[in-house]
Amino acid sequence: QVQLVQSESELKQPGASVKVSCRASGYTFTSYTMNWIRQAPGQGLEWMGWISSNAGSPTYAQGFTGRIVFSLDTSASTAYLQISSLKADDTAVYYCARSTVRPPDYWGQGTLVTVSS
Amino acid sequence: QSALTQPPSVSGSPGQSVTISCTGTSSDVGIYNRVSWYQQPPGTAPRLMISEVSNRPSGVPDRFSGSKSGNTASLTISGLQAEDEAHYYCSSYSSSSTVLFGGGTKLTVL
Repeated sequence: QVQLVQSESELKQPGASVKVSCRASGYTFTSYTMNWIRQAPGQGLEWMGWISSNAGSPTYAQGFTGRIVFSLDTSASTAYLQISSLKADDTAVYYCARSTVRPPDYWGQGTLVTVSS
Repeated sequence: QSALTQPPSVSGSPGQSVTISCTGTSSDVGIYNRVSWYQQPPGTAPRLMISEVSNRPSGVPDRFSGSKSGNTASLTISGLQAEDEAHYYCSSYSSSSTVLFGGGTKLTVL
């Protein structure tokens, strides 16, 4: 069955970087795109962008450019989200979710990133 | 402000039906049938309930149905049950090759 397993919660200081992983199984990794979605505490879902698991080409949503990088390790069927120069308002649950050129179907369990000194 | 507009909250009694709307534009909901709905109980990841406007994935009760008219998609839940209480989000592909989400609707089962 399709599974997306994300890395554990992270506590980071302002200015640091974080790298969240998303390991896929149960399907052909390179046949799907991987989305990243942010959910701040008590807020709704925000689409951050996606990366083609075949070509490795990322698309970043407006408002999510500059400090965010999507990457892949296709040999490990794993997608990564890296956020640099963390700020307090980056505190959120970050989800990976697979799709083709449409909204996602399967989602990871989410990774809580807390930015606090 | 979210790209797709949903009512902040809806409510209904057990056994009743409720409908949640999702209004977009002629650049997203209006021209694509790539509209999905997700259920998110507190503290859990979103779960796909409807894809491609009206398709129910395996395991989703047939009490959940989706439709679309013009720039507005709708999710109807019939025969409400206490376990349906959750936040619901719509999502659509857009002509800018991006994915949009609605702001979410909290469903309360009275």
